[in-house]
Order: sequence, then C-alpha cells, then structure tokens
Amino acid sequence: GENVEQHPSTLSVQEGDSAVIKCTYSDSASNYFPWYKQELGKRPQLIIDIRSNVGEKKDQRIAVTLNKTAKHFSLHITETQPEDSAVYFCAASITGGFKTIFGAGTRLFVKA
Amino acid sequence: DADVTQTPRNRITKTGKRIMLECSQTKGHDRMYWYRQDPGLGLRLIYYSFDVKDINKGEISDGYSVSRQAQAKFSLSLESAIPNQTALYFCATSDPSTSGETQYFGPGTRLLVL
Repeated sequence: GENVEQHPSTLSVQEGDSAVIKCTYSDSASNYFPWYKQELGKRPQLIIDIRSNVGEKKDQRIAVTLNKTAKHFSLHITETQPEDSAVYFCAASITGGFKTIFGAGTRLFVKA
Repeated sequence: DADVTQTPRNRITKTGKRIMLECSQTKGHDRMYWYRQDPGLGLRLIYYSFDVKDINKGEISDGYSVSRQAQAKFSLSLESAIPNQTALYFCATSDPSTSGETQYFGPGTRLLVL
C-alpha cells in the first residue's frame, strides 16, 4: 500500500545551524506534500506545503523541495531557533482525494 | 475563532470497557477524520467521513467504530477497549473547496487502557 518514509527520526542541531528532514513516498499519483509541526503537548499544524507542479517553495526560514522523479521531498530549516524544537511530520496525498499518508515524524531538538 | 475541539482530553479506562471520544468543529468543514498517534508510527487514519451520510474505514479501523451525528460532530467508539489501543487520538477536518487538503487538528485525546 501507500507509504511515506521519513528520516531521521531524531535530529539535534545547534541554534543557528540548518536542519534537513527527508521523506520518500511510494504512490506516484501523490501530488500534494504538506509538512506539519507538532510542539510538545500541542496539535499538529501545517507549516508549509508543496504541490507537484513546483520543485521548491520558501517561506522565510523554511523551504521545501520536491523531486518527483525520485519521489523524494525535503524540509529545510535555516538559522534554527529553540522554538523550532518540535516533531515534524511529512505527508503525501492526492488533490481532492480522501487520504493523507503521514511519515513517522522527526523529533528536532535545537540546542541554545 | 473557528476551531476543532475534542472531549475528553484525557481518559483512563479498563480492558473490555466501551468508550466514546467526541469531536466537534465550528469550521463548517464537511470532511472529518480520526487518527491515532503512536511514538515512531506517526499519524494513522482510523476512519474518515466526507459528509453526514458517508463513513469510510481507514488503515487501522479494526476495534473501532464511528458515528457522524451532524456536519459538526464525529464520534469515535472503542467497543471493547484493549491495552493496545492506548494512544493519542486526534480528530481533524478539511475542506478542499476553501482550504485545499490542509488538515485542521483538534487538541487530541490521550487514552490509557489498563
């Protein structure tokens, strides 16, 4: 069945460094790739997304890249800050479809 | 602000008990979902509903049932709880016509089955 693999499961960086989280999806029909951030004890919230008709999207310190051929997409956080510490989930779905498949999550620690 | 709410927020129950988790939303979204979150496994879909008359199984529906009482309410039941169902449960909504595929999550219900 459809699957989204996410790596690493845990990532620790120094404040100010960059962090990269990578995901691979299996369903070639997927065309929408959101990223959710879940702070400790809170609900997941969308932080950025990308559709299959673009290769990269940026929003201030975060960016997502998509390689449709390889079925890879990545989240890049630059100039990390302690408030970036959270669990990040990648996901894949089909526009208008019913199912979003989530990765297992990456716990990011940003050390001050 | 329009929101998704869940009750209870925490629940402890015993093996074999029936339990219901409730979800309400004021976003006006037609689509509602139930997920469970387990460490290292991400968010897995239990059931989803596209409108009041539509109920569909997700990837891990065994041992669960749902009821869509109204556009704004979607309840998840564990007919006979087992310890393996100890998890964090999230309700979510979406509306492709207004906000695309973005999922809006409730605050979660932490369930412990003894």
